[in-house]
Amino acid sequence: GQSLEQPSEVTAVEGAIVQINCTYQTSGFYGLSWYQQHDGGAPTFLSYNALDGLEETGRFSSFLSRSDSYGYLLLQELQMKDSASYFCAVSFDYKLSFGAGTTVTVRA
Amino acid sequence: SAVISQKPSRDICQRGTSLTIQCQVDSQVTMMFWYRQQPGQSLTLIATANQGSEATYESGFVIDKFPISRPNLTFSTLTVSNMSPEDSSIYLCSVEWDRGRPQEQFFGPGTRLTVL
Repeated sequence: GQSLEQPSEVTAVEGAIVQINCTYQTSGFYGLSWYQQHDGGAPTFLSYNALDGLEETGRFSSFLSRSDSYGYLLLQELQMKDSASYFCAVSFDYKLSFGAGTTVTVRA
Repeated sequence: SAVISQKPSRDICQRGTSLTIQCQVDSQVTMMFWYRQQPGQSLTLIATANQGSEATYESGFVIDKFPISRPNLTFSTLTVSNMSPEDSSIYLCSVEWDRGRPQEQFFGPGTRLTVL
């Protein structure tokens, strides 16, 4: 199976910047995705990197480096509503394999 | 995007019984997926359900334990059979909305199952 590692928890204050790293031990995947899940809610798609480099979507950016087997999600201008779990996932054809998730807590 | 509903939203069941979870999508989709997520844990793919064919199960999941139906392009069911407390989890269905974007799946709200 695929192995994706993320930090379990991150805490930051409103307005700060948070980077969630995702390291993986797999190859041959199409790309790296990021999902957000609020407590008790459904996972929602945030970002996707098919190629190496940075993808920016508003306050959220995602990065992939296949040569380093590494990616990250960058959350800027943190808001209280950003408190949630964030999952990286690799895609193989039509299937997703998720990391363990990172719980982000935003403090006032 | 797709709007997905699941029934029931939660249930408490006795061991040895079975529960069927329904997943309804507001549009026709080809690919539907069933996941399990234990509280505070990651999502684990159980199986892929395509209309008109047998579901494809991931390693560690078998049809006898998790039979799946996919009678049409907007609906699927997952049955958790002969339940034990270890089956207590959140079960989520998801769909692939755009074949050109397989990395973007839309998830239902989940079914929280507790087995006593």
